[in-house]
Amino acid sequence: DAGVIQSPRHEVTEMGQEVTLRCKPISGHNSLFWYRQTMMRGLELLIYFNNNVPIDDSGMPEDRFSAKMPNASFSTLKIQPSEPRDSAVYFCASSDLRRETQYFGPGTRLLVL
Amino acid sequence: TQLLEQSPQFLSIQEGENLTVYCNSSSVFSSLQWYRQEPGEGPVLLVTVVTGGEVKKLKRLTFQFGDARKDSSLHITAAQPGDTGLYLCAGTSDTSLTGANSKLTFGKGITLSVRP
Repeated sequence: DAGVIQSPRHEVTEMGQEVTLRCKPISGHNSLFWYRQTMMRGLELLIYFNNNVPIDDSGMPEDRFSAKMPNASFSTLKIQPSEPRDSAVYFCASSDLRRETQYFGPGTRLLVL
Repeated sequence: TQLLEQSPQFLSIQEGENLTVYCNSSSVFSSLQWYRQEPGEGPVLLVTVVTGGEVKKLKRLTFQFGDARKDSSLHITAAQPGDTGLYLCAGTSDTSLTGANSKLTFGKGITLSVRP
């Protein structure tokens, strides 16, 4: 079975540009999570969805960040406008509602110049 | 905000040595998980501990959950180069709601390098 799929794997952009990260969760999973990982702050939860509905977005750093999940097989995380401090690895993870195991994607490495 | 402190932050050892690393918090967790992350990949779950004092073994890895459910340790016996990676602990708090509304708090991780 395919795991969590993220695209792009690498993104280099200039400050002020819009960035869209994409995620396809494991089929049948009801929960989807977006995380950000940096050396300074470690792995931080940004937002999570249950059954395509955003449940907790308290980790979203500011209004420049937004996330959507239009259906059970697709989610996006958008940064507009991007800033150099947004440079990080962004992970998507999915699980079933029992939450026993979260399965992580390979991440998107974002560099904002 | 619940914090998980992991120590040491970096560890470099020779193949065949034993090691123990720690995950500590002032908060109580209903469960705690350990993940391993290799360069360029996402974290992969190794184990979940739920009961205070619980010990779980995964081949050469031994995980223990503290009696008070505030801390955990990971012991690796006869480390091998394949054990190299970032080890993350993550906890789910007692105050979280049902499983469907629980969320993980991660430590910053321990970078382990095992030299051949």
